[in-house]
Amino acid sequence: AQKITQTQPGMFVQEKEAVTLDCTYDTSDPSYGLFWYKQPSSGEMIFLIYQGSYDQQNATEGRYSLNFQKARKSANLVISASQLGDSAMYFCAMREAGAIQGAQKLVFGQGTRLTINP
Amino acid sequence: NAGVTQTPKFQVLKTGQSMTLQCAQDMNHNSMYWYRQDPGMGLRLIYYSASEGTTDKGEVPNGYNVSRLNKREFSLRLESAAPSQTSVYFCASSESWFKNIQYFGAGTRLSVL
Repeated sequence: AQKITQTQPGMFVQEKEAVTLDCTYDTSDPSYGLFWYKQPSSGEMIFLIYQGSYDQQNATEGRYSLNFQKARKSANLVISASQLGDSAMYFCAMREAGAIQGAQKLVFGQGTRLTINP
Repeated sequence: NAGVTQTPKFQVLKTGQSMTLQCAQDMNHNSMYWYRQDPGMGLRLIYYSASEGTTDKGEVPNGYNVSRLNKREFSLRLESAAPSQTSVYFCASSESWFKNIQYFGAGTRLSVL
């Protein structure tokens, strides 16, 4: 069963506008973590932001914030004041427990390709 | 600030050949991971290692083996490469078991002809 769903294959946004990238997840584990990664055309995976399931406040990291709605099982990434350099693939991921105690695996969504237009 | 280093960056193999992808991290992380990324898709976990001396299968382990040589190094071996293993391979490591913020290497682009 798919555990991370990103419903927007591609998005086009004007520079300086805010953009929201959607992510919904499915888990029965009360303790979990949600992550967003950026993959520019050069191919590397860059960590952006983390939200724990017990965190009371939405996570923020500079221009990135995570709109965490636990009851709806959504963890949308908000990028404020978008820049041309924000053009990339964005992946939502969820931490789930591994078979070995202490191991924590990530499950990734299929990604959203964001294009910022000048 | 090396972080996670993967070698090689590119490789072309013929069907049936074997090779080992190398990964090393200098962040003193306990856990290490191997993923593959196919075109237009997210990453899928092949194998992981929670600590030195332990490894376990991920979502797509068939056709691969791993070795956690020491705390720094985690290698991925293809014993008999197949065209279906054409992909980009990423190694990652994480600093703690709780948050598990994984930091990735630059990737290895592998083509199997």
